[in-house]
Amino acid sequence: RKEVEQDPGPFNVPEGATVAFNCTYSNSASQSFFWYRQDCRKEPKLLMSVYSSGNEDGRFTAQLNRASQYISLLIRDSKLSDSATYLCVVNEKNTGFQKLVFGTGTRLLVSP
Amino acid sequence: DAGITQSPRHKVTETGTPVTLRCHQTENHRYMYWYRQDPGHGLRLIHYSYGVKDTDKGEVSDGYSVSRSKTEDFLLTLESATSSQTSVYFCAIAAEVWTEAFFGQGTRLTVV
Repeated sequence: RKEVEQDPGPFNVPEGATVAFNCTYSNSASQSFFWYRQDCRKEPKLLMSVYSSGNEDGRFTAQLNRASQYISLLIRDSKLSDSATYLCVVNEKNTGFQKLVFGTGTRLLVSP
Repeated sequence: DAGITQSPRHKVTETGTPVTLRCHQTENHRYMYWYRQDPGHGLRLIHYSYGVKDTDKGEVSDGYSVSRSKTEDFLLTLESATSSQTSVYFCAIAAEVWTEAFFGQGTRLTVV
């Protein structure tokens, strides 16, 4: 089983739609969780951290469910500029040292 | 944006030659990582460093070595480049074990 799993998509949605991505992780000892955004041929950029209580940043909401070992990202009122690949990232602590594990990403295409 | 630069940004090299990629940071972050990104595989960890002269292997370390003689520099060496090492290489830095990582712009390496 992969350490971090995501549906690769693509998710094709019209502008203004709400779309949700899920990501599951296998290591129950994982401590930190993030969503990154990656545009074609560019480096990944931090979109938001994911906290146990859930957090919101404008149109974006992230949730963490430790019991079921998944995190989610909700995008409301999708914009054309939201088209990108969204990477789920889990920070595992391995014998005291950090290891970031990336999902393969979910591709989002927002159309006019 | 985090102060992290990769060099070179693009390189074409011949099979069997050694290649060194450089990652330089101005953030004084403790953790530095080298990833490669290939279609269908997402980001895979090659090596990482948790301090000067402290490095460890990631999931795809065969054929690669690293060195970190200063906090700000993390070098990735392909000892004898092969066509399977054609990829986009990303360096990332992080301040602490539990914090997010920031990425360099990537190096596109082609081995012919």
